[in-house]
Amino acid sequence: NAGVTQTPKFQVLKTGQSMTLQCAQDMNHEYMSWYRQDPGMGLRLIHYSVGAGITDQGEVPNGYNVSRSTTEDFPLRLLSAAPSQTSVYFCASSYRLQSSYEQYFGPGTRLTVT
Amino acid sequence: QKEVEQDPGPLSVPEGAIVSLNCTYSNSAFQYFMWYRQYSRKGPELLMYTYSSGNKEDGRFTAQVDKSSKYISLFIRDSQPSDSATYLCASYETDSWGKFQFGAGTQVVVTP
Repeated sequence: NAGVTQTPKFQVLKTGQSMTLQCAQDMNHEYMSWYRQDPGMGLRLIHYSVGAGITDQGEVPNGYNVSRSTTEDFPLRLLSAAPSQTSVYFCASSYRLQSSYEQYFGPGTRLTVT
Repeated sequence: QKEVEQDPGPLSVPEGAIVSLNCTYSNSAFQYFMWYRQYSRKGPELLMYTYSSGNKEDGRFTAQVDKSSKYISLFIRDSQPSDSATYLCASYETDSWGKFQFGAGTQVVVTP
């Protein structure tokens, strides 16, 4: 199993450009999430999905779009990049065991917006 | 204000010492508590997972939850240089998928 994969590993964008961060998992997990990690802020939830076709906003959703057409893939779209979106982005997938969830994270995408 | 607070460190200890990490939380509805380890330029990986109050031990790692004081702890015994990483605590309410709250992470450096 590859687990959770993310592409690209690094990306530099100019202000106003758009792009899609890719995330895929091969564990057949129902739940997937996108986080951003900034110094001193920890991980903050951007968007999440509880299954194919179902998405919802997290703590910091502005400027980002998601969709989930398959169980495996959960891309994150930056609509019009801003310097404030410079961050490390992590995708995670999870399965539910009774009332508990265990999340598995991808290796991250380092994004710089100039 | 963040619902989970964590001292960012860095925390520097000599090899073989006990590492003691702490978090506090404010949401009384939190029931599940986790510790993640994150090596530099890598994704977090789940280290320990506890439900409600009490202790849980796994090898050199012990996680403690004190719900009365809203305090989460992780102890690493016989620390090794390979334990040098950032440790993040996290929590969520029962049946509240999408509401994970992470601490900012504490950087630990174990010196040989």
